[in-house]
Amino acid sequence: GAGVSQSPSNKVTEKGKDVELRCDPISGHTALYWYRQSLGQGLEFLIYFQGNSAPDKSGLPSDRFSAERTGGSVSTLTIQRTQQEDSAVYLCASSFGTRETQYFGPGTRLLVL
Amino acid sequence: KNEVEQSPQNLTAQEGEFITINCSYSVGISALHWLQQHPGGGIVSLFMLSSGKKKHGRLIATINIQEKHSSLHITASHPRDSAVYICAVIRGGSNYKLTFGKGTLLTVNP
Repeated sequence: GAGVSQSPSNKVTEKGKDVELRCDPISGHTALYWYRQSLGQGLEFLIYFQGNSAPDKSGLPSDRFSAERTGGSVSTLTIQRTQQEDSAVYLCASSFGTRETQYFGPGTRLLVL
Repeated sequence: KNEVEQSPQNLTAQEGEFITINCSYSVGISALHWLQQHPGGGIVSLFMLSSGKKKHGRLIATINIQEKHSSLHITASHPRDSAVYICAVIRGGSNYKLTFGKGTLLTVNP
């Protein structure tokens, strides 16, 4: 079946604009994760969804970042008033449940000018 | 100090060589992942383990919980193994939150 998909694959935006990143997890996966990979920083956890609920938002860097998940499926990560330091690859992953293998999407490469 | 440390940061090998990448962590964990990321490509989960040893093809992962250390071995390395290998741990008390090492860039020359 299809893997995790993300859109757009690349996004260039101007500082101060809002952006929305989308993740379509593997069908049937109840757990969904967002990560960020910055140059020189490695991977960092942003947020975790179990179904439509986000019990852990501790990784979101600031209140400019928010995420939601609807229908236990698609998730969107929204960054308001983007800053240059938000430039990174944003990765989504999903799994059947927690402590299961996570399947990663190809990522969205965000560049804030 | 990072909670998850990998060594080496960079590794260059000749085709056919035996490769070892090491991961040490400083926190209690419930599980450890090894991930592979090809240049410009996505991330693939290679192994998830909480004890002992796992093998898949030419890849072997081991973990020693008491010593807080894991190794990823590649036998008979091939240029297509060239990638970044990332160690990530799930902290004890959490079921899902991954803490990542900075990765090891492996280059296998023909």
